[in-house]
Amino acid sequence: EVQLVESGGGLVQPGGSLRLSCAASGFTFSSYDMHWVRQATGKGLEWVSAIGTAGDTYYPGSVKGRFTISRENAKNSLYLQMNSLRAGDTAVYYCARGGNWKDFDYWGQGTLVTVSS
Amino acid sequence: QSVLTQPPSVSGAPGQRVTISCTGSSSNIGAGYDVHWYQQLPGTAPKLLIYGNSNRPSGVPDRFSGSKSGTSASLAITGLQAEDEADYYCQSYDSSLSGHYVFGTGTKVTVL
Repeated sequence: EVQLVESGGGLVQPGGSLRLSCAASGFTFSSYDMHWVRQATGKGLEWVSAIGTAGDTYYPGSVKGRFTISRENAKNSLYLQMNSLRAGDTAVYYCARGGNWKDFDYWGQGTLVTVSS
Repeated sequence: QSVLTQPPSVSGAPGQRVTISCTGSSSNIGAGYDVHWYQQLPGTAPKLLIYGNSNRPSGVPDRFSGSKSGTSASLAITGLQAEDEADYYCQSYDSSLSGHYVFGTGTKVTVL
């Protein structure tokens, strides 16, 4: 059974940093692209970052230069380093596995990040 | 910020058929990229409902179906059930500089 479990969320001040983790199990982690997707309270879904099997990374303009996605295949783990956080980054952050069709076929339960003074 | 447009809400009585539209542009759906649909029940993570425009993952009832034409796509739910009350999002890929993976604005389905 595929499982994705996020951790590391919490309250951080504007301008601060936070590192999210996602523990994967039930599949060959190194063989899949992985993503982070976020959702502000009461709002829609927003893709935040992706990392390919070769370690290539991708970001939308809203987080490029501030967020860094990484993976550690030996530990079946995905990470998101978030720097220069803003109030607008407040959201539940989901870890998701990339499917074969540029979809997201499995999702974690999410971890809440709150940026506030 | 969403690149794909969906109606904010749709509703129907149990047993009825409802459809949700997803309108994109020439840089995403119109460019030939596939459309996928997700169901998000209250308080839970999204779940893949339809992939590759019209394919259902194992375990998804055949009451759910998807289609795509031109710069738009649609999700249909036939035989609406109370458990289908949820938020639904379409998703595709965009070749513009604004981003790679894009989601729809989301649609709340209410079962009357």
